[in-house]
Amino acid sequence: DAEITQSPRHKITETGRQVTLACHQTWNHNNMFWYRQDLGHGLRLIHYSYGVQDTNKGEVSDGYSVSRSNTEDLPLTLESAASSQTSVYFCASSTSGDFTGELFFGEGSRLTVL
Amino acid sequence: GQNIDQPTEMTATEGAIVQINCTYQTSGFNGLFWYQQHAGEAPTFLSYNVLDGLEEKGRFSSFLSRSKGYSYLLLKELQMKDSASYLCAGMDSNYQLIWGAGTKLIIKP
Repeated sequence: DAEITQSPRHKITETGRQVTLACHQTWNHNNMFWYRQDLGHGLRLIHYSYGVQDTNKGEVSDGYSVSRSNTEDLPLTLESAASSQTSVYFCASSTSGDFTGELFFGEGSRLTVL
Repeated sequence: GQNIDQPTEMTATEGAIVQINCTYQTSGFNGLFWYQQHAGEAPTFLSYNVLDGLEEKGRFSSFLSRSKGYSYLLLKELQMKDSASYLCAGMDSNYQLIWGAGTKLIIKP
């Protein structure tokens, strides 16, 4: 079955370290997204991609970067982790051009920055 | 600005009906989504409305009024497994989703 997987599921790191969260989907979806979810807030978009070599900034992109070298993967990198980046991170994908279709979410990566 | 408002928490009884409301303000409008999220899990898609009216899917129905910037999710014959957070999201003119903070639904026996 097609799926979307994230790793690691849990990560504890220190302020200033670089962290990469992996996202891999086998749906063959062109659209991929990274969100963060914090208590009291809705999901907030960090970065998104509509295809290979395409990346775009979302509303909370500062301190984060992504790259899209193939259809399946969209890794999220925190260049220098900050305590404000402690959060649950969700990767999601959807079919190309079908913006009215559902988003398929990974199971989330819980990141703690000490 | 863009905004999605929904109640923080609701409580209902097993077997009953509950309506979760959502009001939205988006720059342009390309539809209204509802997602379900169980604690510690990923959100999963429930419904999408772009035209006014009611869409029914089994025990779940979703309603949209574009003139009022209003939607609701109706859950019938509540089961304990319906205990979850329900996320409302509006799609703006750039096809970006604006998410509400979610409504935590507690089902009591």
